[in-house]
Amino acid sequence: QKEVEQDPGPLSVPEGAIVSLNCTYSNSAFQYFMWYRQYSRKGPELLMYTYSSGNKEDGRFTAQVDKSSKYISLFIRDSQPSDSATYLCAMSGNTGGFKTIFGAGTRLFVKA
Amino acid sequence: GAVVSQHPSWVICKSGTSVKIECRSLDFQATTMFWYRQFPKQSLMLMATSNEGSKATYEQGVEKDKFLINHASLTLSTLTVTSAHPEDSSFYICSASSSGTSRTDTQYFGPGTRLTVL
Repeated sequence: QKEVEQDPGPLSVPEGAIVSLNCTYSNSAFQYFMWYRQYSRKGPELLMYTYSSGNKEDGRFTAQVDKSSKYISLFIRDSQPSDSATYLCAMSGNTGGFKTIFGAGTRLFVKA
Repeated sequence: GAVVSQHPSWVICKSGTSVKIECRSLDFQATTMFWYRQFPKQSLMLMATSNEGSKATYEQGVEKDKFLINHASLTLSTLTVTSAHPEDSSFYICSASSSGTSRTDTQYFGPGTRLTVL
């Protein structure tokens, strides 16, 4: 079993839709949760950073962490074609070394 | 803030030659830098972690004599692919973090370097 599971997609939605991206994980020691966006042939850029459980909102993006279920989500409201990219979840914690573990990434296509 | 640059962005080389990739943190001091490799439509594969002034820690299966990493200053790390072969062709991405050893911090990624070995 992988430490972090993420559906690779692709996920295709119409412009304006609400997008839900998710990851599950197995290590309860994870405390820091991140979402990165990666455009084709570019490096990942940090979108959201959350510590422990709860919600965090930034513009059209909302990150949710449910540590009891070991489940994290990223919601994108009013999705735009420019949101088309690969979204990677990442997490870390005191797992015997603070190594960040990345999900496989979900490819999102927002159609105009 | 938190900008990381990589140079070159794209390189083509002949089989058997060595290629050096630079990673720089432009506006912060990076105590830790990471090197990743990414194949098309796949996620990031961590190759090694380097702390300034000490030897890099390589992930299992990564040849340290083939992928030489130097982290000589708090703003610069280099990855040298020695005696490159076509199977080394990939997208190499670095990231930098200002964390110490007692907690984690976010990694800020460079734009990546596409290496093609002919």
